[in-house]
Amino acid sequence: DAGVTQSPTHLIKTRGQQVTLRCSPKSGHDTVSWYQQALGQGPQFIFQYYEEEERQRGNFPDRFSGHQFPNYSSELNVNALLLGDSALYLCASGPMGEFYGYTFGSGTRLTVV
Amino acid sequence: GDSVTQMEGPVTLSEEAFLTINCTYTATGYPSLFWYVQYPGEGLQLLLKATKADDKGSNKGFEATYRKETTSFHLEKGSVQVSDSAVYFCALVSGGSNYKLTFGKGTLLTVNP
Repeated sequence: DAGVTQSPTHLIKTRGQQVTLRCSPKSGHDTVSWYQQALGQGPQFIFQYYEEEERQRGNFPDRFSGHQFPNYSSELNVNALLLGDSALYLCASGPMGEFYGYTFGSGTRLTVV
Repeated sequence: GDSVTQMEGPVTLSEEAFLTINCTYTATGYPSLFWYVQYPGEGLQLLLKATKADDKGSNKGFEATYRKETTSFHLEKGSVQVSDSAVYFCALVSGGSNYKLTFGKGTLLTVNP
């Protein structure tokens, strides 16, 4: 049973560019959340998607946007990249309405130069 | 808002030593509490959880008890192994957050043979 799959695993972008990260949730899970983990810090909640809608949002600017598709997979888009956006981006999936403590993917390491 | 405070690391122990990692929290309502572990180069794995006061979560020899009176959820293990070397995160989900995880900053544990 595949868990949460994220792609790509590593990415290098230049300041000002745009990036798209992808996530496939674990089978049977219908919610997807995205977290940003800066080096040496705990993950910070970006937003959560359910039924193709953004349900909750953390304290992140509008440069961060997302999408959920009918098959529950999700994308995280970041526009106008800043050096401070360099981090590990984690995707987590879970079943809505029954919280066990989400299943996390291995993350995408984004480096902005 | 919700917050989690973990003891500062890094923590370095010899194999078979006793481990305690302190965690305290601030949250609205009655949160569910979690410990996650992150091995080098990997995403987060749920280690254990507790959903109400006085619950004890346990897994792989690790234990933590939900203490409402002291707002704490300290992680303990009686005899650590080299393979336990990782970063440990305390986290919570509060009733008003619709399943948004709030993490502590993490504690790096190194176990030497």
